[in-house]
Amino acid sequence: NAGVTQTPKFQVLKTGQSMTLQCAQDMNHNSMYWYRQDPGMGLRLIYYSASEGTTDKGEVPNGYNVSRLNKREFSLRLESAAPSQTSVYFCASLAGRAGETQYFGPGTRLLVL
Amino acid sequence: RKEVEQDPGPFNVPEGATVAFNCTYSNSASQSFFWYRQDCRKEPKLLMSVYSSGNEDGRFTAQLNRASQYISLLIRDSKLSDSATYLCVVSPQWTGTALIFGKGTTLSVSS
Repeated sequence: NAGVTQTPKFQVLKTGQSMTLQCAQDMNHNSMYWYRQDPGMGLRLIYYSASEGTTDKGEVPNGYNVSRLNKREFSLRLESAAPSQTSVYFCASLAGRAGETQYFGPGTRLLVL
Repeated sequence: RKEVEQDPGPFNVPEGATVAFNCTYSNSASQSFFWYRQDCRKEPKLLMSVYSSGNEDGRFTAQLNRASQYISLLIRDSKLSDSATYLCVVSPQWTGTALIFGKGTTLSVSS
């Protein structure tokens, strides 16, 4: 099992460009999450999907959209990238049972110029 | 008050030292507790779950005090490979929502 995979690993964008970060998990987990991590800020939740067909905003959703394509895949889209979105983005998944912990993908490093 | 608070450190210790990290959480209804480890430029990975009775995994011991809303992690006989950031993590009462992460405590073990 690959666990949680993310593509791309690295990306450089110009201000105003759009892109989609892809995430997939093969653990049959119900819930999936997108975080960003900035120096000194810790992990901040952008959006999450508690189950297939549902999505909800997290702490910092502005400038992002998400799609839960199916149970395996959860994508994050930046419609018009801004330098403030330069960050490391982590996708995570969770089975959904009480006491279960989250599993993270390897991250996508995004630089917006 | 932040939901999960940790001393950011850094903690600089020699090999073989014992070091303790503390964490407090604000939501008294929190149900599950974890310590994660994050190496530089890598994803967070589960180190251990934390139970009310306390639990031990080799050199690592985790404790939970629900009355004080306090979690601790003790590392004995520190190794160079223990150098990392340690994240205190709390789960809300209901399932399906995201875990809440502290900002992490940085540990540097030197020879």
